[in-house]
This record gives sequence, C-alpha cells and structure tokens, in this order.
Amino acid sequence: NAGVTQTPKFQVLKTGQSMTLQCAQDMNHNSMYWYRQDPGMGLRLIYYSASEGTTDKGEVPNGYNVSRLNKREFSLRLESAAPSQTSVYFCASKVIRGSRYTFGSGTRLTVV
Amino acid sequence: DQQVKQNSPSLSVQEGRISILNCDYTNSMFDYFLWYKKYPAEGPTFLISISSIKDKNEDGRFTVFLNKSAKHLSLHIVPSQPGDSAVYFCAASVEDSGGSNYKLTFGKGTLLTVNP
Repeated sequence: NAGVTQTPKFQVLKTGQSMTLQCAQDMNHNSMYWYRQDPGMGLRLIYYSASEGTTDKGEVPNGYNVSRLNKREFSLRLESAAPSQTSVYFCASKVIRGSRYTFGSGTRLTVV
Repeated sequence: DQQVKQNSPSLSVQEGRISILNCDYTNSMFDYFLWYKKYPAEGPTFLISISSIKDKNEDGRFTVFLNKSAKHLSLHIVPSQPGDSAVYFCAASVEDSGGSNYKLTFGKGTLLTVNP
C-alpha cells in the first residue's frame, strides 16, 4: 500500500546509545518531515527536508541529525540518546505545494 | 510561544449530538488551516482543511469554520458517532518566502469521546 513507512515501530535505548529512525515514502512526495509527539505537547517539528538535497531545523532540533538519502528516504539519528528524547516520532511527507501531510504510523522510543 | 492553541484537552458528547472542537491562533500570517484525526497507535490522518480566503468548508458530517478577525477556527461534527472518538489536532501553515514549503504548526490536540 502506498504511504509512509517508519521503522522500527518500537525501540528501547539506554542513555548514551545511538540509533537511526528510518522513514520511506512511495508517493513521489518532495517534502519530508520529522515530528515528535509528547503528552500535552502536541506534535513538534524536529527537522524537515523541503526537497531532495536540503534539510532544515524545526522547532526542537537539539540532539538530532537528519539525512535525506534520496527522494524517498529521510532518516532521523539520535547520536547520544537521553531520557528527554523518550517520545513517539512521526515521519510525514507531502508534495511541494499544499499543506496536506501524509503521516507514518510512528516509532515509539523509550530511553532508559 | 504557542502559535496554535487548543484550550480544551478533552470533550465528551453523546452519540448523535454535535461535537464542536475549537482552535485559536496568534500568527496572522497563517493562510491555511487543517484538522487531523489520530487514533491510538496510529499516525495522524487528514480530516478537513480551509484556506484563509474562505470562512467555511464542509465535507459530509464535518464542517470547519474560520473567523479570521478573531483568529479562531472550529470543527463541527454532526452527528457524532462513537467511531469519531480520537484525538483531533488543529494545524496551521504559512507559505515561506520561497513559496515552496508549507510547514505545519500543530496545536496540542483535543481528545474527543463520543458515548453510545
């Protein structure tokens, strides 16, 4: 089925460990986004890629890095995980113009 | 500074009645507004949107109203059904100077519970 695929769905990390969250879309969308959702905080933008080859910081970029590997894939890396990064992470994509995002089903990350 | 505010964390209504979810925004540059619906363990899904040049948009049981002077929008669900029980996020966007990217700013969400 067409859409946004995120892997893994669940992950537990120890403080200081690193990991990469993967996101791929097969809708030929140009722009991709990473959000985190925390209780009572809504969805906050971490990083985004308006088009292949570009990345920009969002509202809460500290502690994260991203790579737009190609048009389909946009990964989010935690170099040294902290308990404050415990959250549900959503990847989204959209065409160039317009605001209608398509979201993945999320990655639930726990840092202990 | 929270630019999109959903001041009601939760709302409970009876099946068949109207659900009204509210959203306020502070950035007058926002030119497009959306509502997303989210079930547990799933990603948000698009529900309905409205451009700043309109004051109403309707899609079946869902209607979004925009009051630009008050910087306020609302989502009406009539009639409400138990399957509508979910978290509803209000979101807004502003076109950047390059016109090529619309970043969404989300509210904190409202949990709607529709009781049978």
